[in-house]
Amino acid sequence: KNQVEQSPQSLIILEGKNCTLQCNYTVSPFSNLRWYKQDTGRGPVSLTIMTFSENTKSNGRYTATLDADTKQSSLHITASQLSDSASYICVVSARGNNRLAFGKGNQVVVIP
Amino acid sequence: GAVVSQHPSWVICKSGTSVKIECRSLDFQATTMFWYRQFPKQSLMLMATSNEGSKATYEQGVEKDKFLINHASLTLSTLTVTSAHPEDSSFYICSASDPGLAGGYNEQFFGPGTRLTVL
Repeated sequence: KNQVEQSPQSLIILEGKNCTLQCNYTVSPFSNLRWYKQDTGRGPVSLTIMTFSENTKSNGRYTATLDADTKQSSLHITASQLSDSASYICVVSARGNNRLAFGKGNQVVVIP
Repeated sequence: GAVVSQHPSWVICKSGTSVKIECRSLDFQATTMFWYRQFPKQSLMLMATSNEGSKATYEQGVEKDKFLINHASLTLSTLTVTSAHPEDSSFYICSASDPGLAGGYNEQFFGPGTRLTVL
């Protein structure tokens, strides 16, 4: 079973609307959680990174939250733009090693 | 800062040939580089971890004789897919890290990926 589960697998939203992506993880001991944006045919680009003590972090129209107790994170996209169409990947790092656990991604399609 | 490049961005080759992919950290020294493979709609799968000047550590199920990794300097790692077959067609992504960067998060900075198609 994957240590990082994301939902929904895919969604279509209208330009200008908001959406929220979910990430649940089982990685332990927890070090940090990152959200990446991956455009089709490109490498992942970091959006946010949060440690155990942080429960929210913003990067422009992207706001990530973290509940380390329930092992859940979300990524909220505000006022979506066509360029937000991409896969959003939740990645969790365990304390003590450099191995990353990747989710399969949330595929977001923004339509005009 | 923390830019990682890959070359080529895409390559098409005939079955049985070998293909080399380069990964460079452009503005920092990468003590560790990672190679991933990603199939459509799937997670990135770690293939191997390499530290400069030492042999790569391969993940279970990854053939080290087929996927040759060289990390000869702190800014360059190469992945050579030997005797490529159509099932090797995939998106190959490298990442690089330097513990001194990113406030100690030991963050990995990803390259743009290389699309390999084997005919």
